Amino acid sequence: DSGVTQTPKHLITATGQRVTLRCSPRSGDLSVYWYQQSLDQGLQFLIQYYNGEERAKGNILERFSAQQFPDLHSELNLSSLELGDSALYFCASSVGQSPKQPQHFGDGTRLSIL
Amino acid sequence: GESVGLHLPTLSVQEGDNSIINCAYSNSASDYFIWYKQESGKGPQFIIDIRSNMDKRQGQRVTVLLNKTVKHLSLQIAATQPGDSAVYFCAEIVTAGGSQGNLIFGKGTKLSVKP
Repeated sequence: DSGVTQTPKHLITATGQRVTLRCSPRSGDLSVYWYQQSLDQGLQFLIQYYNGEERAKGNILERFSAQQFPDLHSELNLSSLELGDSALYFCASSVGQSPKQPQHFGDGTRLSIL
Repeated sequence: GESVGLHLPTLSVQEGDNSIINCAYSNSASDYFIWYKQESGKGPQFIIDIRSNMDKRQGQRVTVLLNKTVKHLSLQIAATQPGDSAVYFCAEIVTAGGSQGNLIFGKGTKLSVKP
């Protein structure tokens, strides 16, 4: 058990809809990272928050946004969903703001777009 | 763009044998590398990391070797066990120009351990 909790585990929705994925980091971790894992693109970094502030951005679409709350949990919002957004979305956390620290991953949210 | 790749997409080994999983990286500026293990239905799990100023690092039953000359990374697992069956990813970080960099993952190698 990594200590990182992601909800929901599975999400099925339709094109054009909007969903929110939630992540609770390990106790004491200040950084939260979001990744997308798809069959064709593999694991790709989306965005990082550190102590409530956006720290780094990767291949995140404009239709996607995230935030980290004062209690350090994070939410990833995906809007105007397309079939290609079907993927596993992982959250990871680490103690500091540098990505050069072990990141602890949750078990992901599987998003299926019908 | 720069990317991390893997030589072998699948690897099958006998229980008790040693496993070697290889990874090639293309960015000579990469200065930090990590191996992750992902079991079915789970998130990636950190195994071991190595910085570019090292060429070898050992953990429990695992060793990572870094050859910067040929831009090659390998993960050696000693006495492979059925519980080692998983997909293994290498990842790199490039920090340059003041940027902190991000993890860039390879495609993964599936390791199957035969009892």
